[in-house]
Amino acid sequence: GIQVEQSPPDLILQEGANSTLRCNFSDSVNNLQWFHQNPWGQLINLFYIPSGTKQNGRLSATTVATERYSLLYISSSQTTDSGVYFCAGGNYGGATNKLIFGTGTLLAVQP
Amino acid sequence: NAGVTQTPKFRVLKTGQSMTLLCAQDMNHEYMYWYRQDPGMGLRLIHYSVGEGTTAKGEVPDGYNVSRLKKQNFLLGLESAAPSQTSVYFCASSYWTSGGAGEQFFGPGTRLTVL
Repeated sequence: GIQVEQSPPDLILQEGANSTLRCNFSDSVNNLQWFHQNPWGQLINLFYIPSGTKQNGRLSATTVATERYSLLYISSSQTTDSGVYFCAGGNYGGATNKLIFGTGTLLAVQP
Repeated sequence: NAGVTQTPKFRVLKTGQSMTLLCAQDMNHEYMYWYRQDPGMGLRLIHYSVGEGTTAKGEVPDGYNVSRLKKQNFLLGLESAAPSQTSVYFCASSYWTSGGAGEQFFGPGTRLTVL
């Protein structure tokens, strides 16, 4: 099955700093999503991005499907950005409609 | 619009007891999923459903059963709970697209402890 590797495993930032999180896949995927889990455990979908680039406020994501990786950019970080960021991928279509999750990047933004 | 809801939020069981976790979504989504989250291991898929009346195994299905009798509900059952099933359980749903399932939306989770 697909293996998902995220880096770095953890990251500490000062408020206002920028960061890049990376997700590598062992096989091609045609569905890729980024999630944020806040310190209270809630999982929020950030991006549905099988290819290309998307932006949402201070966050943006780029997926290069041919090279099997995706990047999540956080600019001007805030303390509310703290939590765990997960990427997940899968090959959808037919009966295989499921995602495999990476182990996440733990982000702590300090004031 | 409540999104994805899970019942109960917390539960403590003794080894060998049974229980059912309920997931409900009001977004008319075709796909529904049950995951477990353990420290340092991310989320692992237990079972999923691609439509009413259908279920399929995920990565870690042993010890669990599921049913999807109604489109809006997805039930996860533990027939004989074991301490290894202590975890946080998340339900998710996603909509249909021509290429397969779309974005996944998660419920708030159920924290289960098996003594």
